[in-house]
Amino acid sequence: DTAVSQTPKYLVTQMGNDKSIKCEQNLGHDTMYWYKQDSKKFLKIMFSYNNKELIINETVPNRFSPKSPDKAHLNLHINSLELGDSAVYFCASSQNAGRMNTEAFFGQGTRLTVV
Amino acid sequence: GNSVTQMEGPVTLSEEAFLTINCTYTATGYPSLFWYVQYPGEGLQLLLKATKADDKGSNKGFEATYRKETTSFHLEKGSVQVSDSAVYFCALRNSGGYQKVTFGIGTKLQVIP
Repeated sequence: DTAVSQTPKYLVTQMGNDKSIKCEQNLGHDTMYWYKQDSKKFLKIMFSYNNKELIINETVPNRFSPKSPDKAHLNLHINSLELGDSAVYFCASSQNAGRMNTEAFFGQGTRLTVV
Repeated sequence: GNSVTQMEGPVTLSEEAFLTINCTYTATGYPSLFWYVQYPGEGLQLLLKATKADDKGSNKGFEATYRKETTSFHLEKGSVQVSDSAVYFCALRNSGGYQKVTFGIGTKLQVIP
């Protein structure tokens, strides 16, 4: 069973469209994230949710809206897509264990190409 | 805030060469430290981790030691293989509360036969 799964794996769309990426984890973790990886492989956190509550919201355009229906799911909706949104988006999850937080487990990534 | 600095790549080595990828960090408190690996076209996988000072993480022949005095977590492998070609990310996660994982810029390793 895949621990963190995200769909779709590839997404090609035109500028101005609205699209969603879905993420699910079956690890029982309480924290989920979205990261963006640019063409130079740099990883930047976008959002973090803990038990469906938004915890971290880095400087991300409000065209990006995360939604967490339950703690096992964190979806990412993007409005009015722009060329600069082209990147690989990674979902991840981890468990907050107080003083000893665990590592993050990553999905396989969604390669978004805006044309 | 937290930050991770690692050497820029690409690093090109011949098979069986010794590998070192440097990583230093800035953080408050007692972070856990990680090395992740990303093979071409794939997601990130945890390679090894260390959760306290002087801990040594190891996996698949790779090692890294948590050095609090030098705030470093350098990755080493005694003899690299072609199959080790990938991008390696040093990362940290601070303790307490809801902490994100902060990544370095990634170092691309290419091993040639």
